[in-house]
Amino acid sequence: SQTIHQWPATLVQPVGSPLSLECTVEGTSNPNLYWYRQAAGRGLQLLFYSVGIGQISSEVPQNLSASRPQDRQFILSSKKLLLSDSGFYLCAWSGDRGWDYGYTFGSGTRLTVV
Amino acid sequence: DQQVKQNSPSLSVQEGRISILNCDYTNSMFDYFLWYKKYPAEGPTFLISISSIKDKNEDGRFTVFLNKSAKHLSLHIVPSQPGDSAVYFCAASGVRGGGNKLTFGTGTQLKVEL
Repeated sequence: SQTIHQWPATLVQPVGSPLSLECTVEGTSNPNLYWYRQAAGRGLQLLFYSVGIGQISSEVPQNLSASRPQDRQFILSSKKLLLSDSGFYLCAWSGDRGWDYGYTFGSGTRLTVV
Repeated sequence: DQQVKQNSPSLSVQEGRISILNCDYTNSMFDYFLWYKKYPAEGPTFLISISSIKDKNEDGRFTVFLNKSAKHLSLHIVPSQPGDSAVYFCAASGVRGGGNKLTFGTGTQLKVEL
C-alpha cells in the first residue's frame, strides 16, 4: 500500500533562517506531488506541484522554492524565512488511478516563524 | 480569484440531526468534485467524490449532491455524530495532464453538539 511521510511535525524558526521540509512517498512510482499551505483562518493554497523528477511548477510567487531530486521525494525550501511564511504545510500525492480518491495528504508540518 | 467558495466558515448541528455543508464554484471546466475532512494538526482525509456526469453520490452517512447548472454542490451528513466535528473542504478539478491540480475552498468548521 502507498504511504506518505512528511517531517518534521512542528518547527519554530527565526526570521531570516533557512527552511527545508521533506516529503517522501512509498509504494508507488512516478506520483504527482504537491505542496500546500494552510495559513491561519484560510483554506488550502497550492504552492508547488511536480509531475516528475526535476519538474516543478509554482502556483504563487513567494519566498519559497521546491525541488524533486528523486521520484518519490519532494522538498520545500527557503533561503530566508519571513514572518508571513508561518502556517501549516501539507505534502500530498496523486497517481493515475482516477479521481475516486483525489489526493493523499501527509500529516503536515506546523511552521512558526518568530 | 477564489474559484471554489465555501461561504459558511462555521456550522453547528445537534447530534443525530442532518448537517448540510455547501460549496459553490465558478469555473465551468471543473468536472470532478471531492470533499475532505480535516482535524486540527492533521492532513485532510478524503471523504467522498462526485463526477460531473452524476448529480448524487452516497456513501453510508455521507451524500454529495451536485447541481451543475447552479455550480453548486453540497455534502449531507445524516445522522451527524460528535466525531464528525472537523473542518470540511470541498475541492474541484478540471485539469487533466497538468498535474491533476485540485482547487480547494476555504473550509467550513462543523461542530456537532451533544
